[in-house]
Amino acid sequence: EAQVTQNPRYLITVTGKKLTVTCSQNMNHEYMSWYRQDPGLGLRQIYYSMNVEVTDKGDVPEGYKVSRKEKRNFPLILESPSPNQTSLYFCASSLSTPDRDLGGYTFGSGTRLTVV
Amino acid sequence: GQNIDQPTEMTATEGAIVQINCTYQTSGFNGLFWYQQHAGEAPTFLSYNVLDGLEEKGRFSSFLSRSKGYSYLLLKELQMKDSASYLCAVRDSNYQLIWGAGTKLIIKP
Repeated sequence: EAQVTQNPRYLITVTGKKLTVTCSQNMNHEYMSWYRQDPGLGLRQIYYSMNVEVTDKGDVPEGYKVSRKEKRNFPLILESPSPNQTSLYFCASSLSTPDRDLGGYTFGSGTRLTVV
Repeated sequence: GQNIDQPTEMTATEGAIVQINCTYQTSGFNGLFWYQQHAGEAPTFLSYNVLDGLEEKGRFSSFLSRSKGYSYLLLKELQMKDSASYLCAVRDSNYQLIWGAGTKLIIKP
């Protein structure tokens, strides 16, 4: 089954304790992206990657890191989490070639992160 | 700046028709997407418009007018399971998706 797999689904952590949210896709998609979703603000892009070893900042990159060492994996790293990073996080992937990208993004199931 | 506007919340009756509007101002345009998102779940793809006109897919249709920076999603024969948020997103000149905040649709029996 074609899918984007995110783990964990739920995470409660303390301020300053490093954490990683994993994301993996099995569709051979070039493009992957991380979003956070907060009430009333919609989806805001954190980082994105057009292909292996190519990553770029989105709209709200502060406090986050990513890596793209393999095509299928795109982990999100919070080196020193703070309470304002409490949010619902989504990983998404798609084909990067615009004329092929008619289906939009495929999203992971989401990670609800609480930082206390 | 780039902006996507949609109503925050709408209410409709089971079996009826509802139209959710989306207006946009973006740096370039390379397509408009509609997604459905149930509470706490991931968004799922509904439709894609890149040319002006109406795209129909079962009970759902999406319309686009590029000259007006306007789209709508039309839902017919509403069912209780259609209660969800509907997200409008525009792909800009850099092929990045700009998202609206979403419209929460409440269906009443």
